[in-house]
Amino acid sequence: EVQLVETGGGLIQPGGSLRLSCAASGFTVSSNYMSWVRQAPGKGLEWVSVIYSGGSTYYADSVKGRFTISRDNSKNTLYLQMNSLRAEDTAVYYCARLEGFIRYYYFDYWGQGTLVTVSS
Amino acid sequence: QSVLTQPPSVSEAPRQRVTISCSGSSSNIGNNAVNWYQQLPGKAPKLLIYYDDLLPSGVSDRFSGSKSGTSASLAISGLQSEDEADYYCAAWDDRLNGVVFGGGTKLTVL
Repeated sequence: EVQLVETGGGLIQPGGSLRLSCAASGFTVSSNYMSWVRQAPGKGLEWVSVIYSGGSTYYADSVKGRFTISRDNSKNTLYLQMNSLRAEDTAVYYCARLEGFIRYYYFDYWGQGTLVTVSS
Repeated sequence: QSVLTQPPSVSEAPRQRVTISCSGSSSNIGNNAVNWYQQLPGKAPKLLIYYDDLLPSGVSDRFSGSKSGTSASLAISGLQSEDEADYYCAAWDDRLNGVVFGGGTKLTVL
């Protein structure tokens, strides 16, 4: 059974750093495209970042230069390193598996989410 | 401001049919498959429709999707109270090299 479990959220001051983890089971993270998607309180879904199976990474403009997506193949875990955090980064962060192929991608599995609150 | 445009809310009576629209551009819906996600209150999103009009295993056939050009629609027939949720359309965007979402549509079953 496929499972994604995010951890690492919490309260952090503006300008601070936080690393989110997403432990996967039932499939191999490194063989799949994996993403982070966030949802600010009372708002819609916002794609944050993706890492391809080959290792290429892409980011939304809102986090480019501040966030880094990575994975640890030995731990079958996805990460999101978040630096220079701002109040507008406050959100529930979901990791999700991106299935499919070119022009036909979709998120088939999602984690339960972890809340990041950026506030002084 | 979301890249894909959805109505903020729709409402309809039980057992009726409702449609939710999703409008994009050539770099996303026009050139890539559309997917729909259902998010129940306090829960993670769940895949509802993929590849424009396919249903994942376990999803009721009361849900259906369609696409034409740079627009897509989600239809829900035989509305039930448990269908009350937020619905999001999404597609890959070639310019962003990432996924774009609609702003979400809140469905109320009257």
